[in-house]
Amino acid sequence: GQQLNQSPQSMFIQEGEDVSMNCTSSSIFNTWLWYKQDPGEGPVLLIALYKAGELTSNGRLTAQFGITRKDSFLNISASIPSDVGIYFCAGRNAGGTSYGKLTFGQGTILTVHP
Amino acid sequence: DGGITQSPKYLFRKEGQNVTLSCEQNLNHDAMYWYRQDPGQGLRLIYYSQIVNDFQKGDIAEGYSVSREKKESFPLTVTSAQKNPTAFYLCASSMAPDRVNQPQHFGDGTRLSIL
Repeated sequence: GQQLNQSPQSMFIQEGEDVSMNCTSSSIFNTWLWYKQDPGEGPVLLIALYKAGELTSNGRLTAQFGITRKDSFLNISASIPSDVGIYFCAGRNAGGTSYGKLTFGQGTILTVHP
Repeated sequence: DGGITQSPKYLFRKEGQNVTLSCEQNLNHDAMYWYRQDPGQGLRLIYYSQIVNDFQKGDIAEGYSVSREKKESFPLTVTSAQKNPTAFYLCASSMAPDRVNQPQHFGDGTRLSIL
């Protein structure tokens, strides 16, 4: 099956620091999505990327769709305590029998110390 | 408010018992999905449905069953054949999957535990 490797697995940072995490795939994706999950809740969509090379921002968050279509990264600038949570990448193929299905990374656990 | 509602929030299963997790959406989405989340792992797809009265197995369908009799509802039954059912179950929905640029949106999950 498709494999998504997300790194790092966890990060412990000080408030105000920048954060970077990435995902790499063994397959080509047509869509990359980044989600954040708070404890005991469902993932919430942060950023959606639809074109290779696309760079998209959402407030302090910036994500890019890699040129090879096999990777994506998410940056968080000037972290704050409420950024704490688990961040997931997800990729999607557009065709064949995998229509609409997402493949998820293992998640990056972010801890922010005040 | 539009959204995805999962119930119950917490559920306990006895040995040999089937339990059903509810998922309802009022977003008028065509596609619905069930995922299982275990600690330290990403979400794994159990079943998905692109239209009413149709559904397909995901990557870990064994021990689970679903139905899609209505567009807004996609209940998941965890059967007694699922020997390790303790997990956090997430339901998601999206517009028709052939419209590529349609991300999935998630409910707040049901945590299932064994008694």
